[in-house]
Amino acid sequence: QKEVEQNSGPLSVPEGAIASLNCTYSDRGSQSFFWYRQYSGKSPELIMSIYSNGDKEDGRFTAQLNKASQYVSLLIRDSQPSDSATYLCAVEDSGGYQKVTFGTGTKLQVIP
Amino acid sequence: DADVTQTPRNRITKTGKRIMLECSQTKGHDRMYWYRQDPGLGLRLIYYSFDVKDINKGEISDGYSVSRQAQAKFSLSLESAIPNQTALYFCATSEPGTSGGNEQFFGPGTRLTVL
Repeated sequence: QKEVEQNSGPLSVPEGAIASLNCTYSDRGSQSFFWYRQYSGKSPELIMSIYSNGDKEDGRFTAQLNKASQYVSLLIRDSQPSDSATYLCAVEDSGGYQKVTFGTGTKLQVIP
Repeated sequence: DADVTQTPRNRITKTGKRIMLECSQTKGHDRMYWYRQDPGLGLRLIYYSFDVKDINKGEISDGYSVSRQAQAKFSLSLESAIPNQTALYFCATSEPGTSGGNEQFFGPGTRLTVL
């Protein structure tokens, strides 16, 4: 059973701070990694994809990948109350068919 | 207009009833998925389809069936609903990203309650 682990939180950060969300995964052969944001009662929304080791930046979001440590993270700079949501880490399985395993998510609360 | 739509958005039914959840997409994607989401358990894959003739079971397919009527339509059926099928159900579509990854796009969800 391939696993994707996230701290459920809640992670509370003050407005304007950097929020750091972390994820570990068990499938050593995985090559594709995703971060989704899910507001309460809504559907997941893709915010970042990352495929290579290192950092990938998109606006206030930075995804970081370390395949050797089987670790992926998401940094949110200048956090806003509107960033308050659950963030799902998703990892594409290495065994073909490109199935994706989702973590249970980390709830982020940005305090004004 | 939404790219991925689901009907109904909310449904309350009784144990033993047959129910169908429908998903339609205008994104032109070949791949479609059905997930259920339960508190503390995250998203779990029920069935997936990579084209009209290719349907595969996910990790929790027991008690469910699917039909891929067309590229744009993928339906999930509960033949005889039971209370532990109470959950939030999501349809998703995907097309490989520019780097080859399976980026998925979700519908708004159906909240199903089985009494």
